[in-house]
Amino acid sequence: GAVVSQHPSWVICKSGTSVKIECRSLDFQATTMFWYRQFPKQSLMLMATSNEGSKATYEQGVEKDKFLINHASLTLSTLTVTSAHPEDSSFYICSAGQGTSSYNSPLHFGNGTRLTVT
Amino acid sequence: GNSVTQMEGPVTLSEEAFLTINCTYTATGYPSLFWYVQYPGEGLQLLLKATKADDKGSNKGFEATYRKETTSFHLEKGSVQVSDSAVYFCALSVNKFYFGSGTKLNVKP
Repeated sequence: GAVVSQHPSWVICKSGTSVKIECRSLDFQATTMFWYRQFPKQSLMLMATSNEGSKATYEQGVEKDKFLINHASLTLSTLTVTSAHPEDSSFYICSAGQGTSSYNSPLHFGNGTRLTVT
Repeated sequence: GNSVTQMEGPVTLSEEAFLTINCTYTATGYPSLFWYVQYPGEGLQLLLKATKADDKGSNKGFEATYRKETTSFHLEKGSVQVSDSAVYFCALSVNKFYFGSGTKLNVKP
């Protein structure tokens, strides 16, 4: 159980275009989902917390107009990278916790999306 | 504040060797502690967890004990396999999750 599905697994886009990444909880409802960015050989950087039915909470330094997050249902959150540039190339990973916002529960991660902007 | 410090890698071992990856933390309140594993090109998978002091998490031969007195959660395995080669992340959760920088493990046959 507790499977998080993320699509696409990799995407190449041209500079200036937008890319949407989907994150779905397949067998549980996720009130809250999290979006991370991972640079090569580095840890995960939390970008934003996605809350179902309300606005996302962005971490300091993350541009909310560039990284649009929508959490329209209890099983789906999307991250749209708008007007992508080569510096946005990275590995993006979503995660979700089961149940409520209890932080004793482990996060379950999608398999990540490798974004390359040319 | 809240933070996690892991030993720097890469760690290179021969198959069947003993593994220790050190993890220490600082936290306000009473955190839960986790180890995650990341295989190349994939997301993170939960390996084990402990939610209170002296708890021992274990899975797939890996173990870690929540040591409040030393604020540590070291990962151990008695006999590593080539298939254990991956990056291992220590993490704590209080009001949100905090991850260590990751330790890459290479196991040679």
